[in-house]
Amino acid sequence: KQEVTQIPAALSVPEGENLVLNCSFTDSAIYNLQWFRQDPGKGLTSLLLIQSSQREQTSGRLNASLDKSSGRSTLYIAASQPGDSATYLCAVGGFQKLVFGTGTRLLVSP
Amino acid sequence: EPEVTQTPSHQVTQMGQEVILRCVPISNHLYFYWYRQILGQKVEFLVSFYNNEISEKSEIFDDQFSVERPDGSNFTLKIRSTKLEDSAMYFCASSEVQGGQPQHFGDGTRLSIL
Repeated sequence: KQEVTQIPAALSVPEGENLVLNCSFTDSAIYNLQWFRQDPGKGLTSLLLIQSSQREQTSGRLNASLDKSSGRSTLYIAASQPGDSATYLCAVGGFQKLVFGTGTRLLVSP
Repeated sequence: EPEVTQTPSHQVTQMGQEVILRCVPISNHLYFYWYRQILGQKVEFLVSFYNNEISEKSEIFDDQFSVERPDGSNFTLKIRSTKLEDSAMYFCASSEVQGGQPQHFGDGTRLSIL
């Protein structure tokens, strides 16, 4: 059974810092990995999707990497801004479903 | 950009009543999903649906739950005899294909059981 863990659970940084969020998973037989953003009480916004054959994906200030063999993914956020404050969820894609981690709650202070 | 739309945004229901949560997936998508998130917990998979059939369901998705695509655009989740522990945010998602393409999520329906 796939288990997904995210570290740290919470992170507080000053504006402008570069930061890394970590995701680990137990079963390397995955189709893809998606990173989502969730604002309090809101839905899930897809940030990046990495296919199992890829090593990384970039979108603006976000860069996600995937090491399938070691069961790890990282989300790198460059030059963080207060608007980046949210919970970031990692979800590992099987053929039929996504298995989510518990998330990292990020607070970027001005 | 096409979106997944869910209604209502918030549903309050008495325990024991039936509720129907509605979703309009992205129009060219063929695969549909329901997930739920109990407050403070992980997002959990409930069910996937393709070609008018359930293709996979979790252990959470017992006889209390059912899904239906009543017409060409809507996808519904019905919960019978609701319990207090059914209170959660329910998310609908859709994808063009399975096994590799992103799932696109709606904004969710917050279900509160009193």
